[in-house]
Amino acid sequence: EAGVAQSPRYKIIEKRQSVAFWCNPISGHATLYWYQQILGQGPKLLIQFQNNGVVDDSQLPKDRFSAERLKGVDSTLKIQPAKLEDSAVYLCASSLEDWSYGYTFGSGTRLTVV
Amino acid sequence: AQKITQTQPGMFVQEKEAVTLDCTYDTSDQSYGLFWYKQPSSGEMIFLIYQGSYDEQNATEGRYSLNFQKARKSANLVISASQLGDSAMYFCAMREPRPGGGNKLTFGTGTQLKVEL
Repeated sequence: EAGVAQSPRYKIIEKRQSVAFWCNPISGHATLYWYQQILGQGPKLLIQFQNNGVVDDSQLPKDRFSAERLKGVDSTLKIQPAKLEDSAVYLCASSLEDWSYGYTFGSGTRLTVV
Repeated sequence: AQKITQTQPGMFVQEKEAVTLDCTYDTSDQSYGLFWYKQPSSGEMIFLIYQGSYDEQNATEGRYSLNFQKARKSANLVISASQLGDSAMYFCAMREPRPGGGNKLTFGTGTQLKVEL
């Protein structure tokens, strides 16, 4: 089966600009996650979707970050305006209801804000 | 309190030797799961092994085994016969149920493993 697809792979923007990331989960995976991984740290959950509904967005900086999951499939994560501290890898993951198979991660988008 | 604690920022092991990466966790739930992921320099997160809280036997997947000690709340990863390709960052993660349904996955800070000749 195809894995979790993410684009772009890399992005460099200036502070105060906006940026969007795209994720296509594995077909049939109802749950989709966006994680932020700052260099040298473990991934931190930003938002979790179950189908097209938000389950948890408690750690999403809502003044600048937004996310949506269209029709319960693809998802986009947007940052507007970006800050220097947003430089990180943004990982998308999806999972089945049976989580014993693990969460499948995409390759991530490496964002550099200058 | 940290949910997942990995106390070894970095580890070295010689090729063909076994290595243990430590992980302790904190939860009051009875139903939970522990995962280990490998993250090479390319950045992808690769699922290695899973242990459910009710599983009586330690999980094994090829050269990976999980030493699950429930009373001590530890879930250490053992890699046998280390290979150069095992050099990567390793993350321990815990799945906990949410009060309203679904699950939450929380990661530790990771251990950087370097396999040497």
